[in-house]
Amino acid sequence: EAGVTQFPSHSVIEKGQTVTLRCDPISGHDNLYWYRRVMGKEIKFLLHFVKESKQDESGMPNNRFLAERTGGTYSTLKVQPAELEDSGVYFCASSQEGTGRSYEQYFGPGTRLTVT
Amino acid sequence: LAKTTQPISMDSYEGQEVNITCSHNNIATNDYITWYQQFPSQGPRFIIQGYKTKVTNEVASLFIPADRKSSTLSLPRVSLSDTAVYYCLVGDRESSYKLIFGSGTRLLVRP
Repeated sequence: EAGVTQFPSHSVIEKGQTVTLRCDPISGHDNLYWYRRVMGKEIKFLLHFVKESKQDESGMPNNRFLAERTGGTYSTLKVQPAELEDSGVYFCASSQEGTGRSYEQYFGPGTRLTVT
Repeated sequence: LAKTTQPISMDSYEGQEVNITCSHNNIATNDYITWYQQFPSQGPRFIIQGYKTKVTNEVASLFIPADRKSSTLSLPRVSLSDTAVYYCLVGDRESSYKLIFGSGTRLLVRP
């Protein structure tokens, strides 16, 4: 079974540019999450999808961040315009609803974003 | 959502049992306790989850006392490949399965 994949693995952009990160969850997983680790700090929750619906986006830092999950499959996280403080590692995770193991989230390898 | 407190780092030797304790004093009644492992340049990986008493799977055991204000992850006979950062997390069903990561415990296993 393929795991959670993320693309790209690394991205270096200039301040003010736009970047779109992609996450492909494990097939059949309804729940999809985005997290990020800013340099030297803890992993922070950004938002949670159930299928194509946003269930909790309380962690989104501001309106420069837009997450979508059209069709309930893969998800994208767009940062526009990017700022220096957006640099960090962005993780995506997915989990299967209704297994009784709600917190067993499967994480992707992350996308390392550097804004210069 | 409860916060967690763990030791920053621990050292061990191959073959030893390692116990990592986490405190979560203000855990809510319906919070589960979950542990994740993370290697460099990888995403966190689920290890074990429990609500009370003891849970055991093929890689670890989790001990939770009756007051649930702490939990202990037990790794039997660690190997060099167990060198990683271990996170204790508390999850709250009311927050849509959002995970709140602490700073984690960096475990170094020496030969």
